[in-house]
Amino acid sequence: QSALTQPPSASGSPGQAVTISCTGTSSDVGGYNYVSWYQQHPGKAPKLMIFEVSKRPSGVPDRFSGSKSGNTASLTVSGLQAEDEADYYCSSYTDNNNLLFGGGTKLTVL
Amino acid sequence: QVQLVESGGGLVKPGGSLRLSCAASGFTFSDYYMSWIRQAPGKGLEWVSYISSSGTTIYYADSVKGRFTISRDNAKNSLYLQMSSLRVDDTAVYYCARSRWGGTGTDYWGQGILVTVSS
Repeated sequence: QSALTQPPSASGSPGQAVTISCTGTSSDVGGYNYVSWYQQHPGKAPKLMIFEVSKRPSGVPDRFSGSKSGNTASLTVSGLQAEDEADYYCSSYTDNNNLLFGGGTKLTVL
Repeated sequence: QVQLVESGGGLVKPGGSLRLSCAASGFTFSDYYMSWIRQAPGKGLEWVSYISSSGTTIYYADSVKGRFTISRDNAKNSLYLQMSSLRVDDTAVYYCARSRWGGTGTDYWGQGILVTVSS
């Protein structure tokens, strides 16, 4: 199974909003509301930002939001801050009970 | 607070075996799915395997199926990954992680442990 498709990079200025897409198929993203998003700073373990498409774990700022339309999920970061600069990964549950990650998107705060 | 601490990594030759362990604390281990996720140097995240809270449901990525075995001991609050027939492309940082149903929504991660497969 191929990885979910994410843009390699995204950028925005402080205070702006940026959206990162995650495209799969009807066998994964489109078929289940089990899309998660993770933030990873260099040398650190990933951190869960969004689960089940749009739910935020306790402690995650509401500047982070998730959505899904068809086979594409999206993570939007509003009010960009310097500390948001990191790699972001999406993941989805799949038809064969597996998990699939996206290739990752490097978010740069200009 | 939730803590996940991996151990057992290191350097191993191609074809060799290694057993990773993960000690969990700060939560009711037997209530949660647990996962192993890896990251090759400079690369993205790759799901490896997950196991249900009771240990009765287990799934593996195709890349490790038949070579890796996940298990857990709820009495010891521990998760394991037995890796055999290791290949150079298994070289990665391996993360132990706590997950929701079906390995989704992985909300706590260990610090990761490096496994290097090289001759």
